[in-house]
Amino acid sequence: DAKTTQPNSMESNEEEPVHLPCNHSTISGTDYIHWYRQLPSQGPEYVIHGLTSNVNNRMASLAIAEDRKSSTLILHRATLRDAAVYYCILTGGTSYGKLTFGQGTILTVHP
Amino acid sequence: DSGVTQTPKHLITATGQRVTLRCSPRSGDLSVYWYQQSLDQGLQFLIQYYNGEERAKGNILERFSAQQFPDLHSELNLSSLELGDSALYFCASSTRGTSRHEQYFGPGTRLTVT
Repeated sequence: DAKTTQPNSMESNEEEPVHLPCNHSTISGTDYIHWYRQLPSQGPEYVIHGLTSNVNNRMASLAIAEDRKSSTLILHRATLRDAAVYYCILTGGTSYGKLTFGQGTILTVHP
Repeated sequence: DSGVTQTPKHLITATGQRVTLRCSPRSGDLSVYWYQQSLDQGLQFLIQYYNGEERAKGNILERFSAQQFPDLHSELNLSSLELGDSALYFCASSTRGTSRHEQYFGPGTRLTVT
């Protein structure tokens, strides 16, 4: 599985935008970029995913670099409820979608 | 609420015992995944089923087995339990179980082996 690199932690203030980066320099042409998050004491939660184009949904936006070697998850207005561990995961090939979780980025949101 | 249900929420048992964890996927989802989350290993993929057939296997011990039934619910069986099997076990489901489909996770079963 191609590897991703994320910062260990980030901080934000409530109601401000948050940009969570992810590097995946060994991504292959068929790998999808997925983002999940895990709030304290809960199961992982799907956030967004994409292949080549930028994607938007009600939770977040995903900006994918033109060479696909990096991506950024954008939370437009952080709330206290967005404090979680965010995982950037690549899926593709014969993985059948299995998720390989790394350490993720711990996001702290200050009121 | 993801639509994925898991039972039981908590399970406390002794070493050497056997337990069964149950998962019901979201309505319409054909694929089920099982993951284990422990403090030292993080979140790890165990096994995937698609429409009743095993599709992919991860770091699943031989003492563990799973199956997906015709009604698409799945069970994870853990036997000869050891202290190190204490963990959170999550089930996730997706529509077609491919790399381009997202997964929806259940609330998990917390297993404590004493």
